[in-house]
Amino acid sequence: DAGVTQSPTHLIKTRGQQVTLRCSPKSGHDTVSWYQQALGQGPQFIFQYYEEEERQRGNFPDRFSGHQFPNYSSELNVNALLLGDSALYLCASSLTIWAPETGELFFGEGSRLTVL
Amino acid sequence: AQTVTQSQPEMSVQEAETVTLSCTYDTSENNYYLFWYKQPPSRQMILVIRQEAYKQQNATENRFSVNFQKAAKSFSLKISDSQLGDTAMYFCAFILTYNNNDMRFGAGTRLTVKP
Repeated sequence: DAGVTQSPTHLIKTRGQQVTLRCSPKSGHDTVSWYQQALGQGPQFIFQYYEEEERQRGNFPDRFSGHQFPNYSSELNVNALLLGDSALYLCASSLTIWAPETGELFFGEGSRLTVL
Repeated sequence: AQTVTQSQPEMSVQEAETVTLSCTYDTSENNYYLFWYKQPPSRQMILVIRQEAYKQQNATENRFSVNFQKAAKSFSLKISDSQLGDTAMYFCAFILTYNNNDMRFGAGTRLTVKP
């Protein structure tokens, strides 16, 4: 049973470019959340997708957008890249009805983005 | 706003000994969950242990246990019989019961287990 898979593993972009990161959730999961983890920091919530719609959003600008496909996979897009966007981007999947007392967020290994 | 603070950027422990990682949090809410996640060099976040705020009993998972002090808003992780494989970043995290989409993480503690 494959867990959460993310691609690409690493990528380098220059300022002003656009990037797309991809995530396939764990089998059976229908909800995908994206987190940004800057170097030396804990992950910060970007947004969550369910039923192909953005359900909740953290404190990130509109340059950050996403999409969820009918097979529950998801993309994170970042436009007009800034140096400060350099980070590890983590995808986490869960069931819609996630019970924190028993359920679990499953994380991927992340995509490391470097903006030069 | 909910915030999580981990005041120990780095810690080390000898193999087989016990170490405690600290975490404090700030919230005005009463119903929430707390977690400790481990992030090894592979970068994948792995759930270590969780605690429901309404439970007074401290959670335990094998060699891992927590000391949950709700009034003090403190949630420390104790690792007993430390093993080399415990070397990793450890993140304390918080989530509200009614808004379980936005998990808040601390900045992490880098733990090194020395042989």
